[in-house]
Amino acid sequence: SYELTQPPSVSVSPGQTARITCSGDALPKKYAYWYQRKSGQAPVLVIYEDTKRPSGIPERFSGSSSGTMATLTISGAQVEDEADYYCYSTDSSGNLVVFGGGTKLTVL
Amino acid sequence: QVQLVQSGAEVKKPGASVKVSCKASGYTFSSHYMHWVRQAPGQGLEWMGVINPSGGSTSYAQKFQGRVTMTRDTSTSTVYMELSSLRSEDTAVYYCARVGTSYWGQGTLVTVSS
Repeated sequence: SYELTQPPSVSVSPGQTARITCSGDALPKKYAYWYQRKSGQAPVLVIYEDTKRPSGIPERFSGSSSGTMATLTISGAQVEDEADYYCYSTDSSGNLVVFGGGTKLTVL
Repeated sequence: QVQLVQSGAEVKKPGASVKVSCKASGYTFSSHYMHWVRQAPGQGLEWMGVINPSGGSTSYAQKFQGRVTMTRDTSTSTVYMELSSLRSEDTAVYYCARVGTSYWGQGTLVTVSS
């Protein structure tokens, strides 16, 4: 079955740039999406279709994709950005959705 | 405003089935696919499947094939997810969601315990 692979954790100091990667064989042909999940809250979409940012999401959040890897970048990470981040995409058929395992971002 | 309101928590015994509902409002129900995602304690998000409310067609994750059934009632703008042959590993919070947006239900805790 198709899998998306994320690092379990990323840690940065406030103001630094955090990069969270997501790798999958179908990513050259399928979009990546990114959710932010804070404890006890519903997931919030922060990036869609590889690079697009929904309205209301701070400009410090950006996305990119190259080959089999998509990347979520948080430029100048803030303490309030501490959360679990999940990428998701579809398999090559486009019929099945897959989530990455999630990355815990620590900002301290 | 878009709202997805799920049914309440359930406690089931191993081998039983559970049916979770998700009532949608604030948008045209038949125009957007509805997904079901679960999160077990200490684990990540896991996609279970999707239903097209317009025609009722479904796609399920391979892991749940044969155990999950997703249905909808267009008269009440409600989708349902039924999971059968429950085991302890199915203890999780189950969400309905318009994946690709920030519209998620509040979650339904399903506890499987003897």
